[in-house]
Amino acid sequence: DAGVTQSPTHLIKTRGQHVTLRCSPISGHKSVSWYQQVLGQGPQFIFQYYEKEERGRGNFPDRFSARQFPNYSSELNVNALLLGDSALYLCASSLAAGLDEQFFGPGTRLTVL
Amino acid sequence: AQSVTQLGSHVSVSEGALVLLRCNYSSSVPPYLFWYVQYPNQGLQLLLKYTSAATLVKGINGFEAEFKKSETSFHLTKPSAHMSDAAEYFCAVTTPQGGSEKLVFGKGTKLTVNP
Repeated sequence: DAGVTQSPTHLIKTRGQHVTLRCSPISGHKSVSWYQQVLGQGPQFIFQYYEKEERGRGNFPDRFSARQFPNYSSELNVNALLLGDSALYLCASSLAAGLDEQFFGPGTRLTVL
Repeated sequence: AQSVTQLGSHVSVSEGALVLLRCNYSSSVPPYLFWYVQYPNQGLQLLLKYTSAATLVKGINGFEAEFKKSETSFHLTKPSAHMSDAAEYFCAVTTPQGGSEKLVFGKGTKLTVNP
């Protein structure tokens, strides 16, 4: 079975622009979480979605938003990009929203110039 | 609030030597603890997890970790390092919160294995 897939793999944007990152979970997984990993740091939790509803939100500004679609895929949107948004964005899927093992995708590397 | 502290941002060992990566956690309720490994330009792979069962947890690739509540520690060990173990390792903690799972990660420890 395919693992978690993310697109695009790399992205370069300029300050003030908007970006959309996409994630497809493992087949049968209904929960998707998003994490931001700044260079040299551990991943930081942004959102968790389960059955198309937001189940958790990290300490990120309102410029960050996400949604989950009926097929359980997910999008992460970031508006008004700042230089500090440059990071690896990781998507993880799990069977449910509880304490199930999270499977991570390869990430999208976002560079903001 | 939960937090994780990984002592040592870089650890270097010789091939065949013991690997010890340190993790201390802070949590006001019984935690679940995880170790993940990240190879360059890749996502995270779960090595092992502690979920309140046995305190000594065995994972993949010969790694194991011991949960010590009195020391609030969950150190990762491997008896004999292999060149392929060179990667970055992250310790993470979570507790149930309103039906969602939020992993809180440490800053990571980069392991170098010397021939």
